[in-house]
Amino acid sequence: GESVGLHLPTLSVQEGDNSIINCAYSNSASDYFIWYKQESGKGPQFIIDIRSNMDKRQGQRVTVLLNKTVKHLSLQIAATQPGDSAVYFCAENIGGTYKYIFGTGTRLKVLA
Amino acid sequence: KAGVTQTPRYLIKTRGQQVTLSCSPISGHRSVSWYQQTPGQGLQFLFEYFSETQRNKGNFPGRFSGRQFSNSRSEMNVSTLELGDSALYLCASALAGGPQVVNEQFFGPGTRLTVL
Repeated sequence: GESVGLHLPTLSVQEGDNSIINCAYSNSASDYFIWYKQESGKGPQFIIDIRSNMDKRQGQRVTVLLNKTVKHLSLQIAATQPGDSAVYFCAENIGGTYKYIFGTGTRLKVLA
Repeated sequence: KAGVTQTPRYLIKTRGQQVTLSCSPISGHRSVSWYQQTPGQGLQFLFEYFSETQRNKGNFPGRFSGRQFSNSRSEMNVSTLELGDSALYLCASALAGGPQVVNEQFFGPGTRLTVL
């Protein structure tokens, strides 16, 4: 598969540990955010979303935290597994359109 | 429910040619967006269609165009191809709600375009 980014920041985590991936978004007017996971050769896969009226949302093994004061988003993955190895993107949406701005991405490597 | 499908998956063209890519959204989804993904620029928004109308547009030249059909399927066209157009072109669909209501957006596997 192709590389989605040659110079992405990389987070290496031991299998079973928790992972925290961070994202700084650009626009204080952004009101909806999505985290995507992209594996080599595939399109981005929806993981979890959060609206700006919330500061935390939990899914299965994942939690998204939103700090609007500093325009920061984080994705926490509990008990990281080898299958979690991928590139993770945050996407921000402004004003109820379907025009998303994507972050540069973080490569997560899970070490056995 | 079937996911977003894109055809073809791989395409090789030469400079100056044109290309048409196709996207079939998830059944019931009326919003279709297109993105370009490159190692240097990351994921960049091209345009979004809803009910056969372009609702939003990114910052790409007029060589990039699209359309949507009544069954919500969408096509994207790039004319006069340049080497820099080599990229993964991704389509995403969403169950568009009312004004100011944005729902989850789901991506297809992409079309890998190589321009020689």
